[in-house]
Amino acid sequence: DAGVIQSPRHEVTEMGQEVTLRCKPISGHDYLFWYRQTMMRGLELLIYFNNNVPIDDSGMPEDRFSAKMPNASFSTLKIQPSEPRDSAVYFCASRPDRGRAKNIQYFGAGTRLSVL
Amino acid sequence: LAKTTQPISMDSYEGQEVNITCSHNNIATNDYITWYQQFPSQGPRFIIQGYKTKVTNEVASLFIPADRKSSTLSLPRVSLSDTAVYYCLVVKGLTGGGNKLTFGTGTQLKVEL
Repeated sequence: DAGVIQSPRHEVTEMGQEVTLRCKPISGHDYLFWYRQTMMRGLELLIYFNNNVPIDDSGMPEDRFSAKMPNASFSTLKIQPSEPRDSAVYFCASRPDRGRAKNIQYFGAGTRLSVL
Repeated sequence: LAKTTQPISMDSYEGQEVNITCSHNNIATNDYITWYQQFPSQGPRFIIQGYKTKVTNEVASLFIPADRKSSTLSLPRVSLSDTAVYYCLVVKGLTGGGNKLTFGTGTQLKVEL
């Protein structure tokens, strides 16, 4: 398996623009997670899905952030409008719901977002 | 979730054994300990997890005393490629848990020649 795939790897945009980050989880994984990492706040959980349904979005910072999972193999994190303070590395992770790896989250390589 | 405390940084040399200790005084009965590793420009990667005593895999060993208020990650004979940030996490639940992971500041391990 290719692992969790995120795109783009880098995104540079201007304040006020819409940004869409994409994630393809590992096939067969039932849970998908979105995290944000900054120097100041470290790695924070934003939202997670189970079987494509959002379970906990308490980490989403503002209404400008939204996440969707239209099917088991694709999720998006959208920021509209973007602001400079949204600059961070955004990670997607997934995990299975059964088997020996059920408590292990597998992370993608991340998307480095810069909002100018 | 139990709060964890670990050293901010550690330095070592190639070939040495490195032990990183994490304290988690408020760990609950059903919590277990998990360690992740993160290299620059990459996402965290699972290393090892355990509930009590000792767990060993091909990468590391995890030592957990009887009171479970601390744990020690042991990396045998480190190399330059082990330079990374190591996170200690206390994860709620023993079955199907591990959803709301709380990553602290981690320990920046630097390995030199």
